[in-house]
Amino acid sequence: QVQLVQSETEVKKPGASVKLSCEASAYSFTDYYVHWVRQAPGEGLEWMGCINHHSGHSGYSRKFQGRVAVTRDTSTKTAYLELSGLISDDTAFYFCASEPLVEGDWGKHFDTWGQVTLLTVSS
Amino acid sequence: QSALTQPRSVSGSPGQPVTISCTGTSSDVGGYKYVSWYQQHPGKVPKLIIYDVNKRPSGVPDRFSGSKSANTASLTISGLQAEDEADYYCCSFTNAATYVFGTGTQVTVL
Repeated sequence: QVQLVQSETEVKKPGASVKLSCEASAYSFTDYYVHWVRQAPGEGLEWMGCINHHSGHSGYSRKFQGRVAVTRDTSTKTAYLELSGLISDDTAFYFCASEPLVEGDWGKHFDTWGQVTLLTVSS
Repeated sequence: QSALTQPRSVSGSPGQPVTISCTGTSSDVGGYKYVSWYQQHPGKVPKLIIYDVNKRPSGVPDRFSGSKSANTASLTISGLQAEDEADYYCCSFTNAATYVFGTGTQVTVL
């Protein structure tokens, strides 16, 4: 069964950067998108960005452009979310999720989710 | 990109139908068939229950259904069950090749 395994809890100070990881264990295919979604405590879901594992093509929410980078390591099937200039409002649960291919086209939905990484930003 | 608008909460008795609306614009919900819905129980990971407006992944009960009219998508639970008590989020692809989630709706089973 395909799974997305995320890195552990992070605690950072304001102004710092963080790099979260998401490993696509047991993925037998090489072409897929990984998306990053976050959820502040008690709040809703917020899409941040995504990357195509095969091509490296990425896209970002305008809200985070300039402060976020999504990358991947094809040898380990791992996607990364790097967020810089951290502020307290970045304290949230961060999910990675995969987008499936449906009948040869990208599905534009998220069918498999990682188990979540909690990021706390505090001085 | 502003979040899609959902009612903050809906409730119903077991067996009753409930419908959750998700209102966007012609740049997102109204412009594409790529509306999906996610169920999230407290402290859990979101689960896909509807994609492409009205398609159900395998294993999702058929009491969940989706539809869309103009800039508003809807999720209907035809016969509410206790395990359906959760938060529900819609999500749409946008004309900027990004995604936007709804504000979320808490479903309570009375």
